Amino acid sequence: GQQVMQIPQYQHVQEGEDFTTYCNSSTTLSNIQWYKQRPGGHPVFLIQLVKSGEVKKQKRLTFQFGEAKKNSSLHITATQTTDVGTYFCAGPENYGQNFVFGPGTRLSVLP
Amino acid sequence: DAGVIQSPRHEVTEMGQEVTLRCKPISGHNSLFWYRQTMMRGLELLIYFNNNVPIDDSGMPEDRFSAKMPNASFSTLKIQPSEPRDSAVYFCASSPGGGSQPQHFGDGTRLSIL
Repeated sequence: GQQVMQIPQYQHVQEGEDFTTYCNSSTTLSNIQWYKQRPGGHPVFLIQLVKSGEVKKQKRLTFQFGEAKKNSSLHITATQTTDVGTYFCAGPENYGQNFVFGPGTRLSVLP
Repeated sequence: DAGVIQSPRHEVTEMGQEVTLRCKPISGHNSLFWYRQTMMRGLELLIYFNNNVPIDDSGMPEDRFSAKMPNASFSTLKIQPSEPRDSAVYFCASSPGGGSQPQHFGDGTRLSIL
């Protein structure tokens, strides 16, 4: 079956530093979605990328979908303590309906 | 607007007991997902409904788990009999259209089986 991997598993940064998490799928994705889960909370949808090579920005967050539609990245510029949480990428398995979440990258931001 | 509503928020019970988790999706959403989250296994999709019909239950761990969606506004996930290894946070999510649309998650049910 499809596998979605994310690196790194954990990242500790000083407030103000940049942060990047990478997502790789074993199969081509029709779309990729990113979610954020705060400690003790539930996953919250951030963004969806559909087109090959697509880049989207949300304030300090930049999302990119790879040309082959098998990888994606999330970059946060100048992290803040409010960025703390686990960031998940997710996508439909084999262009189907079933949804697969990556294992997530847990971000800690030291003030 | 009300989001996805799950109940109970917390459940503590002894092994062997039946556990029923409940979910009310967002009105108008035709897809409903049940997930289980643990430290060891991360976020796992258990079952997915589209228009109240189970599309794929391959993620359901074993026969002790069952899920139903009798109508568009209600779904249950049942564990019978429960075991300690079932302890996890169970999330319900809904979306307007399957895996191609953003999913909205409920607050989850934190289940502890003693």
